[in-house]
Amino acid sequence: SQQGEEDPQALSIQEGENATMNCSYKTSINNLQWYRQNSGRGLVHLILIRSNEREKHSGRLRVTLDTSKKSSSLLITASRAADTASYFCATREAGGGADGLTFGKGTHLIIQP
Amino acid sequence: DVKVTQSSRYLVKRTGEKVFLECVQDMDHENMFWYRQDPGLGLRLIYFSYDVKMKEKGDIPEGYSVSREKKERFSLILESASTNQTSMYLCASKTTGGREKLFFGSGTQLSVL
Repeated sequence: SQQGEEDPQALSIQEGENATMNCSYKTSINNLQWYRQNSGRGLVHLILIRSNEREKHSGRLRVTLDTSKKSSSLLITASRAADTASYFCATREAGGGADGLTFGKGTHLIIQP
Repeated sequence: DVKVTQSSRYLVKRTGEKVFLECVQDMDHENMFWYRQDPGLGLRLIYFSYDVKMKEKGDIPEGYSVSREKKERFSLILESASTNQTSMYLCASKTTGGREKLFFGSGTQLSVL
């Protein structure tokens, strides 16, 4: 079942600008992760935030989590052409077993040079 | 670095054929997963395995089966391929014990004609 829903579906910005993507989910979670997918390739893990964390940073990435609103945001600062990709949020449900993450449909980000 | 290798990058098969998609990981991960990815639908979990010879159905197992005879290898089988199984298939693996990050292969784009 689909858990996360990213917003917007597509985003086009100029190089150097900041890009913000949002993710909403439905059930209680253990953690939320963001992945990037370059065109026609597999997904690459970017960052994980646990349910008891509110904000996390990794290089030019900043992730926030609001469990009361069941939402997360991914901010990419000082965007580069190489950031052009699709970005997916994925959730691990609280109390879930060994099964995989549940992914959203993704935000397609285009960085204009 | 963990490497997840999918045997074929592109595959073209005919309706009714039996199709095998192979996935091998080199990091001794216990858990392996098969997802399919379709435009507008995101990633959907087909099957996963948390140990050798163990398998669990995901969200969309109909028309698929899996095999895990060795820890490093997880095969997805389309018993009788149909055109609605044309899709990108992604294999992933992860370890247990709190490490939630999934490692993905590069994907197999399957076309069923």
